[in-house]
Amino acid sequence: DAGVIQSPRHEVTEMGQEVTLRCKPISGHDYLFWYRQTMMRGLELLIYFNNNVPIDDSGMPEDRFSAKMPNASFSTLKIQPSEPRDSAVYFCASMSEYTEAFFGQGTRLTVV
Amino acid sequence: GDSVTQMEGPVTLSEEAFLTINCTYTATGYPSLFWYVQYPGEGLQLLLKATKADDKGSNKGFEATYRKETTSFHLEKGSVQVSDSAVYFCALRRIQGAQKLVFGQGTRLTINP
Repeated sequence: DAGVIQSPRHEVTEMGQEVTLRCKPISGHDYLFWYRQTMMRGLELLIYFNNNVPIDDSGMPEDRFSAKMPNASFSTLKIQPSEPRDSAVYFCASMSEYTEAFFGQGTRLTVV
Repeated sequence: GDSVTQMEGPVTLSEEAFLTINCTYTATGYPSLFWYVQYPGEGLQLLLKATKADDKGSNKGFEATYRKETTSFHLEKGSVQVSDSAVYFCALRRIQGAQKLVFGQGTRLTINP
């Protein structure tokens, strides 16, 4: 397996634009997590899914953020409209009941 | 709720020094415990884990023992190398119920030659 795949690796966008981050989890994993990492706040859990269903979205900062998992092999995190304070590295991770969590390489988002 | 607390960083050591990074947790029941490492520009990767009390996880010369009585999982290495420079995260995961993975704030480690 190629591991957790995130795209794009880098994204630069202007304030107010919509941004969509993508994640392909490892096949067979039924948990998927979205994290945000910044120098100031460290690693924050935004939302996680189990069997494609959102279980806990209490970490989503505000209504501008939304996440979906339409099937077991794909998830998106959308920010609309984006703001400079959303600049961060966004990580996706997947796991099963019997494995540890595996992380993607992350998407570095810069909102100017 | 569940939480993980790590020692404040950054930590700077000389090569071959002894390393300890403290980690304590608060959780309902007996979670599984993990140490993850993040090298520059990369995602987190599992370093070691322990699934029950008194278990010792080990990998690449690093060790951590699951101490239920002190709710701790401190990371240790007897002789660090420059290549160990990275950010280290302690994490927990419940064994039953919601399988939420909770991380500490991370500790940045720099090893000088």
